[in-house]
Amino acid sequence: DGGITQSPKYLFRKEGQNVTLSCEQNLNHDAMYWYRQDPGQGLRLIYYSQIVNDFQKGDIAEGYSVSREKKESFPLTVTSAQKNPTAFYLCASSQKTSGVTSTDTQYFGPGTRLTVL
Amino acid sequence: AQKVTQAQTEISVVEKEDVTLDCVYETRDTTYYLFWYKQPPSGELVFLIRRNSFDEQNEISGRYSWNFQKSTSSFNFTITASQVVDSAVYFCALSEANTGGFKTIFGAGTRLFVKA
Repeated sequence: DGGITQSPKYLFRKEGQNVTLSCEQNLNHDAMYWYRQDPGQGLRLIYYSQIVNDFQKGDIAEGYSVSREKKESFPLTVTSAQKNPTAFYLCASSQKTSGVTSTDTQYFGPGTRLTVL
Repeated sequence: AQKVTQAQTEISVVEKEDVTLDCVYETRDTTYYLFWYKQPPSGELVFLIRRNSFDEQNEISGRYSWNFQKSTSSFNFTITASQVVDSAVYFCALSEANTGGFKTIFGAGTRLFVKA
């Protein structure tokens, strides 16, 4: 079945450690995204990538890093510079559409819940 | 700047009641897209509907219906004859075409409780 997988489902980190969250999709989508969700709040965009080897900062990129070496993979590293990393992290993908006036629906993975101890 | 407001933080209904979730948006773009997603307790966001700014037709899908009104910048979602399985957080979202569709803004969500 086509879809987006995220691992691990739960992740615990000690302060000062970097951790990497995995996101893989087999939908053949060009674009991928990382969002952060805090309790009672909506989603905030961390990073997005339109194509392989390219990515752009979202609204809250500080303390995070990403890479896009393969079309199907978009891992997110939460660095020790991120002051308050405890949150629910969601990865999404969408088919890149041509033209500036087009967009496409984002489909989401099951999420990773990160807790800093 | 784009903004999405979901004024209802939580709604509680009894099974079989109808319920409407409100969504008000702000945008300066003439071409934009509106979405609704459902987030059940498992956490994954499930896509429900997408609407572009040129299509104001209301849509019905089973027990779900959506009312898009550009005059009031609203995109409301109604569940008819609610069921316990409808209990979830529902997000309204907006994407402007001038961002290439890559910057989707989400509302804070409305948590719906449907009691048996």
